Amino acid sequence: SQTIHQWPATLVQPVGSPLSLECTVEGTSNPNLYWYRQAAGRGLQLLFYSVGIGQISSEVPQNLSASRPQDRQFILSSKKLLLSDSGFYLCAWSYGVSNYGYTFGSGTRLTVV
Amino acid sequence: AQTVTQSQPEMSVQEAETVTLSCTYDTSESNYYLFWYKQPPSRQMILVIRQEAYKQQNATENRFSVNFQKAAKSFSLKISDSQLGDTAMYFCAFMKPAGNQFYFGTGTSLTVIP
Repeated sequence: SQTIHQWPATLVQPVGSPLSLECTVEGTSNPNLYWYRQAAGRGLQLLFYSVGIGQISSEVPQNLSASRPQDRQFILSSKKLLLSDSGFYLCAWSYGVSNYGYTFGSGTRLTVV
Repeated sequence: AQTVTQSQPEMSVQEAETVTLSCTYDTSESNYYLFWYKQPPSRQMILVIRQEAYKQQNATENRFSVNFQKAAKSFSLKISDSQLGDTAMYFCAFMKPAGNQFYFGTGTSLTVIP
């Protein structure tokens, strides 16, 4: 069966520090991978998605970047965090362009102080 | 652009009772997909139910069912025989065919009262 792992679960980082959140999927190959952010009191917003190694599409220009160094690994990064980067970050995967919904990870709560 | 609106920020229901969560959306697409996701306190997003717009029959999954009104662009979720484990944030979401993006509403926080 397929599983998705996301870590860390919580993170507190000072303003200006770098960020690296990791997401890995097991039990499948060539998944579509996604990073979403959930701000307080708001729905989820798509940040990045990837259809293959090294292929990244950005939906919202901001202080973050994403990379896919391996088929089942998706990394969300920042060189210098801003207070506005605080939020809940969710990784997800799907089989290709799936109209059957995505499978989400358990999320990372990021607090920038 | 697609928008999804959930007008009920918070709701509560007595255990074993029935509750309906509202969702409306705006799109110019004729074919699309609608979803309800549940986010319990653990924060993991869990797919509850899915509806294909070209199907007139309302989707059902055990105690969960939807009332899909395409002309009104309405997609409500009915939870029957509410259980304590149903306490969660519920998100309505829209997806275009062959799309790579969900459009989520802002969520409804549901509390089931024992």
